[in-house]
Amino acid sequence: DVPLVESGGGLVKPGGSLRLSCVGSGFTFTDTWMNWVRQAPGKGLEWVGRIKSKSDGGTRHYAAPVTGRFTISRDDSTNTLYLQMDSLRTEDTAMYFCTSSNYGYFWGQGTLVTVSS
Amino acid sequence: QSALTQPASISGSPGQSITISCAGTSTDIGSSNLVSWYQQHPGKAPKLLIHDVSDRPSGVSYRFSASKSANTASLTISGLQAEDEADYYCSLYSNTGPWIFGGGTKVTVL
Repeated sequence: DVPLVESGGGLVKPGGSLRLSCVGSGFTFTDTWMNWVRQAPGKGLEWVGRIKSKSDGGTRHYAAPVTGRFTISRDDSTNTLYLQMDSLRTEDTAMYFCTSSNYGYFWGQGTLVTVSS
Repeated sequence: QSALTQPASISGSPGQSITISCAGTSTDIGSSNLVSWYQQHPGKAPKLLIHDVSDRPSGVSYRFSASKSANTASLTISGLQAEDEADYYCSLYSNTGPWIFGGGTKVTVL
């Protein structure tokens, strides 16, 4: 089993919206903090945001470039993490990875988001 | 917080040891043990190598070791192998603040 599988990427116009999903398996998703990390083509890793487990308050934190535009949520009944991306910009073009725990114990294979007119 | 500073590239011959540095400041790496390292092969997802400065998850080769001194963290790859050719990233994670990554180091095995 692959611990994390992302989906939902694609081509979207600037100003548009997209929702990414990440399904976890093989670990206790309910108790796990989850993060989104992105990587622009040919560039390094950039943290997008995190959501804590509900038992730790379910608190969400976001990187400055996406605050107010992106929203992270989770559905523990289906072991699914979401990233709602609104008001997308060309600079949001990247591979988006979901990762587990506070330091990325597991990583998904990524889903590509391209923002272009 | 600014990004952590890594050398852009490092090369070594098979069997050699190389060390990748990750420079921060007294307010980030210098005051935290939440340092981690990742390996990323082209077109693949990052893989966790080290967390909490020097802890190696099960399944990660003993050839990867890490440490921290003052404001700089370091990752050492011993007995360099062809499969070690990849990009390596350091990071400083947090329970409440941003998760900061270094710019990445490309390791070439000669």
